[in-house]
Formats: sequence, structure tokens, C-alpha cells
Amino acid sequence: AQSVTQPDIHITVSEGASLELRCNYSYGATPYLFWYVQSPGQGLQLLLKYFSGDTLVQGIKGFEAEFKRSQSSFNLRKPSVHWSDAAEYFCAVGFDQTGANNLFFGTGTRLTVIP
Amino acid sequence: DTGVSQDPRHKITKRGQNVTFRCDPISEHNRLYWYRQTLGQGPEFLTYFQNEAQLEKSRLLSDRFSAERPKGSFSTLEIQRTEQGDSAMYLCASSLGTQAFFGQGTRLTVV
Repeated sequence: AQSVTQPDIHITVSEGASLELRCNYSYGATPYLFWYVQSPGQGLQLLLKYFSGDTLVQGIKGFEAEFKRSQSSFNLRKPSVHWSDAAEYFCAVGFDQTGANNLFFGTGTRLTVIP
Repeated sequence: DTGVSQDPRHKITKRGQNVTFRCDPISEHNRLYWYRQTLGQGPEFLTYFQNEAQLEKSRLLSDRFSAERPKGSFSTLEIQRTEQGDSAMYLCASSLGTQAFFGQGTRLTVV
């Protein structure tokens, strides 16, 4: 079945620690890949996207993600987490480059940052 | 503020009533999208406009749902005969290039 899986519902990290959020997809073709962040009371904000080329993608706020075709994964990383990174993170896949047409989102990972 | 604007931010309605939401995209963005997000879930795609043309519709968009973008600027999403299962956050996004910008959403509660 076609799906986007974020296996971690909730992750807690200490401020300054490194972070990795997992995302796996299952589709016949390799999709375009996105990570979004949603803070309380805020709209979804695009962190980064992968369409083609270099499999290590740099995004905003110091985030990066690596596309691994062999593992059907697109994990999000940050070397040092800040308290302001506490939010819900969504991985999404799509099949065109129009922006947000027919994106399939995972169920999200909630990040808590402790001092 | 030049972001995507949605109105109202919150709506409580009785089951069976009709509701309409409005989305004002970022000026000059020709593409507009509607998504629905229920508690604990990721957003689900509803529909996509390019200018005034509705190019994609999800199967989630039942016959009780209708979306319009009459002049290629703002868009409305109407839900007729609301049901409790319609309770959700309705998100609007717009794009010109490959990056979409989302609004803060309209939270609908059907009682």
C-alpha cells in the first residue's frame, strides 16, 4: 500500500543535542519529498524539499535531510536543537513540482525540547 | 501581513448547517490548495486550483463539499449539511513556484 510513515510519534531531546526524525515512504515511483514544521497556532512551514540531484538537502533553521533511495527514506536532522524547535514535524511526498498539489503527509512527529 | 489569510479562524456550527470558509492567497500566487487536518493526523489533500480552474479534487471532497476560486484570487470552501466527522482544521496554501505557503487554518467544530 502507498504510504508515508513517521515511526516516532513523540521525541524528546535536550537543548543542544542532535536530532534525527525518521521518514519512510512506500510508492511505486520515487516521489518528491518534503519536510514541514507546524508550531502551535502557526501554519505549516516548509523546511526543505528534495526533487533531484544531491541527496543531502539543506533547509532553513539549520535543518538538513538525506534521501536514501535504497531505504526509501528521507530523514531530517539537526546537529544542535534549540528550544524554539519544539513543534510538530511532518514528512510529505508528492509527484509534481507545483508546490503543494496532492501531497501525502505522514502522521507527524511531535518534538519536545527540554532545557 | 502578506501571508496566506484564512477567515474565520474558528467556527462552531450545529450538525446539518452549512458553513463557508474563505482563503486569501499571497498576492500573485496563481496556485491555491485546500487541505483538511484532523487531530493527531497529517494534512489530507482536498483540492487544487490553478488560477480559477479547479484542476484536482480528492475523493475526500464529497458532494457536500464545494470549492471555488471565481476570479483566480481568493477561494471559498463550502460544506453543506455538516456532520460531526467534518470537525477538523481546514488549511489553505498558495504557491507561484515550487514552494507553497500555508495559512493558519480554520478550525471547524460541528456540535
